[in-house]
Amino acid sequence: IAGITQAPTSQILAAGRRMTLRCTQDMRHNAMYWYRQDLGLGLRLIHYSNTAGTTGKGEVPDGYSVSRANTDDFPLTLASAVPSQTSVYFCASSSGSYNEQFFGPGTRLTVL
Amino acid sequence: GQNIDQPTEMTATEGAIVQINCTYQTSGFNGLFWYQQHAGEAPTFLSYNVLDGLEEKGRFSSFLSRSKGYSYLLLKELQMKDSASYLCAVRDSNYQLIWGAGTKLIIKP
Repeated sequence: IAGITQAPTSQILAAGRRMTLRCTQDMRHNAMYWYRQDLGLGLRLIHYSNTAGTTGKGEVPDGYSVSRANTDDFPLTLASAVPSQTSVYFCASSSGSYNEQFFGPGTRLTVL
Repeated sequence: GQNIDQPTEMTATEGAIVQINCTYQTSGFNGLFWYQQHAGEAPTFLSYNVLDGLEEKGRFSSFLSRSKGYSYLLLKELQMKDSASYLCAVRDSNYQLIWGAGTKLIIKP
């Protein structure tokens, strides 16, 4: 592993289903983030974690949950997917909130 | 509210210079970032400004004026591979990044 990986690359999901997007980094970064990117809009922060064991809500947290059991992994869960959650999801990490963020390749999610 | 404004799209010619502007209104300011994003790919870091002035990095330069809430990204000697979206982001008082919608730059031969 080099950098940040995300899985799956893409997914089509029926509305109402539960889905977990996976994110793993091997840079030993303390901070991790989940964003969604929609056409015509900037990246919007869903949830973040400044260090293992802590999480916080971003701009658009409703319908999403996260956990940070260790430094490397930061999964994002959609408890009951809705069509408005159709988006490209990016996971990112940084060595601290002062520093630049490095992004994973993204997950393209379609909720039907 | 917090707002980052960038032009939606710009077109430039290979070998030329282009300036992409970004204006912002945020709750606090702790630095401004520029990222490049090729279609279908992840954003990658280009530059960071926290003090007023120009930061130069090869063909790319970024300028900041905090009093005007204004930044620009200057790309020189444009190459076809520079065709991408350029994202402006401001780190606010909570040390979270607020992102503009991005400027799609089209380079023509």
